[in-house]
Amino acid sequence: NAGVTQTPKFRILKIGQSMTLQCAQDMNHNYMYWYRQDPGMGLKLIYYSVGAGITDKGEVPNGYNVSRSTTEDFPLRLELAAPSQTSVYFCASSRPRGEGVETQYFGPGTRLLVL
Amino acid sequence: SQKIEQNSEALNIQEGKTATLTCNYTNYSPAYLQWYRQDPGRGPVFLLLIRENEKEKRKERLKVTFDTTLKQSLFHITASQPADSATYLCALSRSSGTYKYIFGTGTRLKVLA
Repeated sequence: NAGVTQTPKFRILKIGQSMTLQCAQDMNHNYMYWYRQDPGMGLKLIYYSVGAGITDKGEVPNGYNVSRSTTEDFPLRLELAAPSQTSVYFCASSRPRGEGVETQYFGPGTRLLVL
Repeated sequence: SQKIEQNSEALNIQEGKTATLTCNYTNYSPAYLQWYRQDPGRGPVFLLLIRENEKEKRKERLKVTFDTTLKQSLFHITASQPADSATYLCALSRSSGTYKYIFGTGTRLKVLA
């Protein structure tokens, strides 16, 4: 199993540009998450999904959009990049509560720089 | 508002000693508490989960305690090794409602040889 994969690893965007951060998992997990991590800060939840077709906002959703058309994929869309979105983005997945230990499996992250 | 506090200052200890990291929380009633390890440039890796009705959990050299009265969890690494050097994050979740975890800022541990 590859686990959780993310692409790209690093990207530089100009202010106002848009991009999609890709995330895929091959563990058949229903739950998937997007976090951002700023230097010296904890992980902040952007969006999460409990299954295909179901998404919900986390703590810091403004400026982002998500979709979940399949169990495997959970892309994160930035429509109008702003310098405040410079961060490291992590995607994670887990099994539903009650189906084993609630381990969140994280991807390697995407480092985004908005200039 | 909900708040999780972990020591922002790095913790330096000598190899072989026990490292103890603290996670305090306010305005929150978690049912689950997790500890993760994060190495530079990488995603967090799950270590241990403890539930609100459990006082202590162990896994090899790791031990976690959970005191819901003090609103605190302690994370211990016994017989620490330089390879244990990393940032350690705690995360909390409620038992019902939306399935979300909130994370602390993490504590950087450095084990000196």
